[in-house]
Amino acid sequence: DAGVIQSPRHEVTEMGQEVTLRCKLISGHNSLFWYRQTMMRGLELLIYFNNNVPIDDSGMPEDRFSAKMPNASFSTLKIQPSEPRDSAVYFCASSLGDLYYEQYFGPGTRLTVT
Amino acid sequence: KQEVTQIPAALSVPEGENLVLNCSFTDSAIYNLQWFRQDPGKGLTSLLLIQSSQREQTSGRLNASLDKSSGRSTLYIAASQPGDSATYLCAVVKTGTASKLTFGTGTRLQVTL
Repeated sequence: DAGVIQSPRHEVTEMGQEVTLRCKLISGHNSLFWYRQTMMRGLELLIYFNNNVPIDDSGMPEDRFSAKMPNASFSTLKIQPSEPRDSAVYFCASSLGDLYYEQYFGPGTRLTVT
Repeated sequence: KQEVTQIPAALSVPEGENLVLNCSFTDSAIYNLQWFRQDPGKGLTSLLLIQSSQREQTSGRLNASLDKSSGRSTLYIAASQPGDSATYLCAVVKTGTASKLTFGTGTRLQVTL
């Protein structure tokens, strides 16, 4: 199994530009989570999907952030327009289901907004 | 609001020592607790998952215990090796919050030769 796949691994962009982060779930998993990690705030959940449906988006910081699951195995996290304070490492994770199952994390995307 | 704290924040031990990492959480109403390791610049690797009904889980040299009533978990690493050097994170899923993991602050471990 290839594990959770994220792309790109590194992204450097200028303030105001649109950024799209991508995530491919582990085959057979039906829950998808987007997290953000910063030195100041640690790891925080942004949004969580179950069976392609967003369940909890209370962690999405602003309307500039949006996430989608166009199919059962793929998700995107978009930031438009990006700001320097969005600089962080963004992780996605997948699991077999909710509540009782382990979450498996991807390698992360390091985003730098200048 | 669930808060998860890990002590110590950093730890340096010589190779071969047994060590204990601590995790405490303020709300004992949890579904499960998960321990992860994170290597510098890398993602998180799941080490152990303990369901709320369980007391401990073991994997190789790792043993994690859970005392839900007191809001504590420990990760025991036996016979530490330099390859164990990493940041260790605990995270809990609070009852009623679907699968929202709340992460601890992490313990940065260095095992020296």
